[in-house]
Amino acid sequence: KQEVTQIPAALSVPEGENLVLNCSFTDSAIYNLQWFRQDPGKGLTSLLLIQSSQREQTSGRLNASLDKSSGRSTLYIAASQPGDSATYLCAVSYSYNTDKLIFGTGTRLQVFP
Amino acid sequence: DGGITQSPKYLFRKEGQNVTLSCEQNLNHDAMYWYRQDPGQGLRLIYYSQIVNDFQKGDIAEGYSVSREKKESFPLTVTSAQKNPTAFYLCASSLFSGANVLTFGAGSRLTVL
Repeated sequence: KQEVTQIPAALSVPEGENLVLNCSFTDSAIYNLQWFRQDPGKGLTSLLLIQSSQREQTSGRLNASLDKSSGRSTLYIAASQPGDSATYLCAVSYSYNTDKLIFGTGTRLQVFP
Repeated sequence: DGGITQSPKYLFRKEGQNVTLSCEQNLNHDAMYWYRQDPGQGLRLIYYSQIVNDFQKGDIAEGYSVSREKKESFPLTVTSAQKNPTAFYLCASSLFSGANVLTFGAGSRLTVL
């Protein structure tokens, strides 16, 4: 069964810290991997998408890396800010059905001033 | 501004009643999706539509029905056959099937009394 796990489930850090969120997947033959942000009671916003042939993607203070062989991805957030407080979810897709994303349960991040 | 509109935002239903959640997009996207989110769980795919007049079951389609008569609309009906319908429902769209870069609506929270 293809599963996606995110550790830790929750994280609380002071403003300014650099932090790493982890995502692992059981079947390494992914098509791509995506990181999303979800604010409480809201929909999801796509942050970064990494194709299976790529090793990392960057957007501003965010950097996502992908290691297919070990079934892992990390989301690195530099110089965290209170506005980064949200739940971060990763999702993978496979080539047999690229319409179906398999989501992790998310990491709830709180950045306090 | 282009986007996805879900309504209603909150909905209460008595057991045994069918309810329909609306999802409208003005992004000219071909593909649309319905996900269910429960506390502590990742998003699970209910139904998706790759093109008008066509839709496919996702992982948890039992007790739900959809239609795709217009490109911009993809309503979800939660029927009385759904055993545990209380959840947060998210609609999403993508430019084409398998594009994976999803735009999400703000969600609809359904509570069964």
